[in-house]
Amino acid sequence: DARVTQTPRHKVTEMGQEVTMRCQPILGHNTVFWYRQTMMQGLELLAYFRNRAPLDDSGMPKDRFSAEMPDATLATLKIQPSEPRDSAVYFCASGGPPQGGGSYNEQFFGPGTRLTVL
Amino acid sequence: GDSVTQMEGPVTLSEEAFLTINCTYTATGYPSLFWYVQYPGEGLQLLLKATKADDKGSNKGFEATYRKETTSFHLEKGSVQVSDSAVYFCALHFGGGTSYGKLTFGQGTILTVHP
Repeated sequence: DARVTQTPRHKVTEMGQEVTMRCQPILGHNTVFWYRQTMMQGLELLAYFRNRAPLDDSGMPKDRFSAEMPDATLATLKIQPSEPRDSAVYFCASGGPPQGGGSYNEQFFGPGTRLTVL
Repeated sequence: GDSVTQMEGPVTLSEEAFLTINCTYTATGYPSLFWYVQYPGEGLQLLLKATKADDKGSNKGFEATYRKETTSFHLEKGSVQVSDSAVYFCALHFGGGTSYGKLTFGQGTILTVHP
């Protein structure tokens, strides 16, 4: 049963600390998305990658957030330094390509990382 | 730009009641339309989809019909269960090039079903 995995599932940290969240997309998927979900803002797209290259990171605060794909099986989202307003659930999703049995129309979401910054 | 608007929530129903969650969209062409569901403590998962006008998507007793003339994709279920309590997101996909695969989501509608 292929699924997107995310680690850690929960993270509590203090303001100013670095936070790294990891995502393993479904094998064969070549598009990876990072979302942030809060009660106030709902679901926001932070960044996404295709074939490990960033396509759009306009939703991400550039001064403290960074996203990378060191290889096809790992995507990372880093916050440095973290602030209380970063408290949210961060989701990773993957999708495509059609020739790999996937679909660019459907995104498969991981279970999320719940981040609390004190 | 493309956008999706969902009915204001939250929605509270009794078990076996009829459900409608409204969704309308704005897009320059003919997008693919989706409903995603998020159960408590989980990520979003695809519930149903329709890729062209007049298509009806259906799954788990839920249905939605792609209405081009009203730019709508309303979600319906004839008899809800407590287990349907979740957040429902309407979404569209319309894009080429680097936007291919990028979904535009509505704000989500919280559904609570009481026994």
